[in-house]
Amino acid sequence: DAMVIQNPRYQVTQFGKPVTLSCSQTLNHNVMYWYQQKSSQAPKLLFHYYDKDFNNEADTPDNFQSRRPNTSFCFLDIRSPGLGDAAMYLCATSSRNSGANVLTFGAGSRLTVL
Amino acid sequence: AQSVSQHNHHVILSEAASLELGCNYSYGGTVNLFWYVQYPGQHLQLLLKYFSGDPLVKGIKGFEAEFIKSKFSFNLRKPSVQWSDTAEYFCAVRKNTGGFKTIFGAGTRLFVKA
Repeated sequence: DAMVIQNPRYQVTQFGKPVTLSCSQTLNHNVMYWYQQKSSQAPKLLFHYYDKDFNNEADTPDNFQSRRPNTSFCFLDIRSPGLGDAAMYLCATSSRNSGANVLTFGAGSRLTVL
Repeated sequence: AQSVSQHNHHVILSEAASLELGCNYSYGGTVNLFWYVQYPGQHLQLLLKYFSGDPLVKGIKGFEAEFIKSKFSFNLRKPSVQWSDTAEYFCAVRKNTGGFKTIFGAGTRLFVKA
């Protein structure tokens, strides 16, 4: 089945130690997103790629970066994780042709910062 | 700023009870509206969507939602819930201006007692 796959599902890191989370998709969707979801809060959009065009949300900290080397893959880099960055990170995709921009989500990567 | 409010964070119902989850949004322009659901141990997935036409939309598993433009609301309903409906439900809004940003509410956790 076509899907969105995130790795790792669980990541434990130390304060300040860089982390990379990955997302791959077999849907051939041209838009890929990274959301941050903290406990009991709404998923918050960090940034998205429309094809190769990177779109950062105004309130996304500089500590968060992203790469999209090709259509299928997108990475979230957290350069110096702080305790406040502990969260579930959700990757999602959508097709520009879907009209209503329906999001297809991966299972998420849960980040713990010690 | 655009926002989405979900009225209840936790709802507990018995099987066969009727369900209504409230959702209000703050954006005044044309919007696309969504309900996403996350079953225990699974990823977020689309339950139903509205982007034009009949304001009463039907989704999977007997769910429906009504868009009331004058009230900026998109409430989710189901006449008779089942134990398998236990999940977290997220309302989401996207401005229909060609962008890709979808804003989520904080979610409502529904527990259905068997």
